[in-house]
Amino acid sequence: GQQLNQSPQSMFIQEGEDVSMNCTSSSIFNTWLWYKQDPGEGPVLLIALYKAGELTSNGRLTAQFGITRKDSFLNISASIPSDVGIYFCAGQASGNTPLVFGKGTRLSVIA
Amino acid sequence: DAGITQSPRYKITETGRQVTLMCHQTWSHSYMFWYRQDLGHGLRLIYYSAAADITDKGEVPDGYVVSRSKTENFPLTLESATRSQTSVYFCASSQHVEQYFGPGTRLTVT
Repeated sequence: GQQLNQSPQSMFIQEGEDVSMNCTSSSIFNTWLWYKQDPGEGPVLLIALYKAGELTSNGRLTAQFGITRKDSFLNISASIPSDVGIYFCAGQASGNTPLVFGKGTRLSVIA
Repeated sequence: DAGITQSPRYKITETGRQVTLMCHQTWSHSYMFWYRQDLGHGLRLIYYSAAADITDKGEVPDGYVVSRSKTENFPLTLESATRSQTSVYFCASSQHVEQYFGPGTRLTVT
């Protein structure tokens, strides 16, 4: 089946630093989503991207839908302790197919 | 606005027992999903449903049974629980592509 390669798997950063993570696929997706999961809770939708090249922001978060439609990127600016968690990318190949999820990037922020 | 809820939040059961995890959503979303989350595997789709009385297998359906007689409910049953089914289970719902997740059920099979 389709797979999403999400990197890095984990990262430790200092508070105030910017963060970048990405998700790649060998096949084309029509929609990319980014979720965040806090410990002990379900994933929460952060950003949704619907068109190749689209750049969308949500506060300090910015995500981009890659031009090739095979990748997506998430940036977090000026990280704060509450950014700690697992970030998942997810893609949908076509209208009626289920989402495919990456394995997540675990973010730790050192104060 | 309750959104999507799961019950129980925690469950310990013995190998061979039947256990049902409940999922309820108040948005009248057409689609509902069941995932399991294990270290190293991320979120894996077990079953999903496009509408009442319509269900489809996901990536890891073996050992699980679902039903959807009402739009708002999507129970997941483990007919004979095994230790390999120890996991955190998430239910999600969607009307379009964006899925909204419940808080999860942590299931331990001893």
